[in-house]
Amino acid sequence: EVQLVESGGGVVRPGGSLRLSCVAFGFILDEYGMGWVRQAPGKGLEWVSAINWNGANTGHADSVKGRFSISRDNARNSLYLQMNSLRREDTALYYCVRRIPGAAHAFDYWGQGILVTVS
Amino acid sequence: SYVLTQPPSVSLAPGQTARITCGGINIGGRKSVHWYQQKPGHAPVLVVYDDSDRPSGIPERFSGSNSGNTATLTISRVEVADEADYYCQVWDSNNDYYYVFGTGTRVTVL
Repeated sequence: EVQLVESGGGVVRPGGSLRLSCVAFGFILDEYGMGWVRQAPGKGLEWVSAINWNGANTGHADSVKGRFSISRDNARNSLYLQMNSLRREDTALYYCVRRIPGAAHAFDYWGQGILVTVS
Repeated sequence: SYVLTQPPSVSLAPGQTARITCGGINIGGRKSVHWYQQKPGHAPVLVVYDDSDRPSGIPERFSGSNSGNTATLTISRVEVADEADYYCQVWDSNNDYYYVFGTGTRVTVL
């Protein structure tokens, strides 16, 4: 069974840093592109970051560019999001997502989410 | 960056057909659209990808189309269990590895 399990969330002061992790179960991570999507309390979905299967290509939303960095360790079946210079508006539930292989660019599996509170 | 606009809410009775729109400039000619269902307290679930394909396990009542400036998710014979927030999403191919979500639509089944 495919599972994505996030960890590393918590409460952090504005200007602080946090590193989120996502461990993949039930599939081989290096066959898939991956990403992070967040949802502020009571708000809609916002794409944050994405990375291709080997880490050679990454992308970040304008709202986090220069502050967040996505990376992966396929040997550990793990995805990461390094978040620096955190702002109150970064407060959200962060989801780890798997991208459908091929050209679809849709996210077929989501973790349960990990809460980040900047306060 | 590319913007996707959805109506904030749609209300209908069980058995009716829900049509949820997702507006974007020339979305039909440029983008493949994907749709997600999110129930309160749960992670989103992919219900339609590549405009009109369904992942395994998604009922045939869910279908999609994409033409001109509007993509549409259609839910036939709506059930109370379909009550949820729905989001469209595209990959912005003008910017490598850049994704956009729509503003979301709350579907209420009265």
